[in-house]
Amino acid sequence: AQSVTQLGSHVSVSEGALVLLRCNYSSSVPPYLFWYVQYPNQGLQLLLKYTTGATLVKGINGFEAEFKKSETSFHLTKPSAHMSDAAEYFCAVLSSYKLIFGSGTRLLVRP
Amino acid sequence: EAGVAQSPRYKIIEKRQSVAFWCNPISGHATLYWYQQILGQGPKLLIQFQNNGVVDDSQLPKDRFSAERLKGVDSTLKIQPAKLEDSAVYLCASSSRGGYTFGSGTRLTVV
Repeated sequence: AQSVTQLGSHVSVSEGALVLLRCNYSSSVPPYLFWYVQYPNQGLQLLLKYTTGATLVKGINGFEAEFKKSETSFHLTKPSAHMSDAAEYFCAVLSSYKLIFGSGTRLLVRP
Repeated sequence: EAGVAQSPRYKIIEKRQSVAFWCNPISGHATLYWYQQILGQGPKLLIQFQNNGVVDDSQLPKDRFSAERLKGVDSTLKIQPAKLEDSAVYLCASSSRGGYTFGSGTRLTVV
């Protein structure tokens, strides 16, 4: 079965610092991978997705992620954190037309 | 395009009572999903519909949960009777051609 593991339930960074949220996947076939963001009391918003092709994927709000098959990873990065980035982030893998989510990482941004 | 609509936004009930949630997907989206998101966890798939047929309900606690999608459009999820551990956000999503859109969810509190 396909699955994703997010390392670190909480990540705290200073405003302007690099954001790195980690996601590793387990899949027997080439995976389709996603990152979603969830603000308080809201639904899930797609940040970016990897299907095929270029391994560096750019998303909304300055986020990007790199698919690394050798490391089975799909880490999410942003060069400079903004206060508005504080939210919960979920990595997901597509399995039989269903999204399977990780446990999430809460990003805290310190002023 | 209109998003995925869910109602109510919030619901508080006592244990052993029943509750129902409603979801109206994006027009034309054949696939509809219900997810349960317990506080501090990632969303967990409860049931997947393709048009008005069930594709996957393996994670649905069928002794107390039921769902239907009459006419292949909107859907209802019911819990009867509710338990304390059912307190969660219930997210509805719909998809078409690889794009997944989530509603804002219904936050259920069972007291």
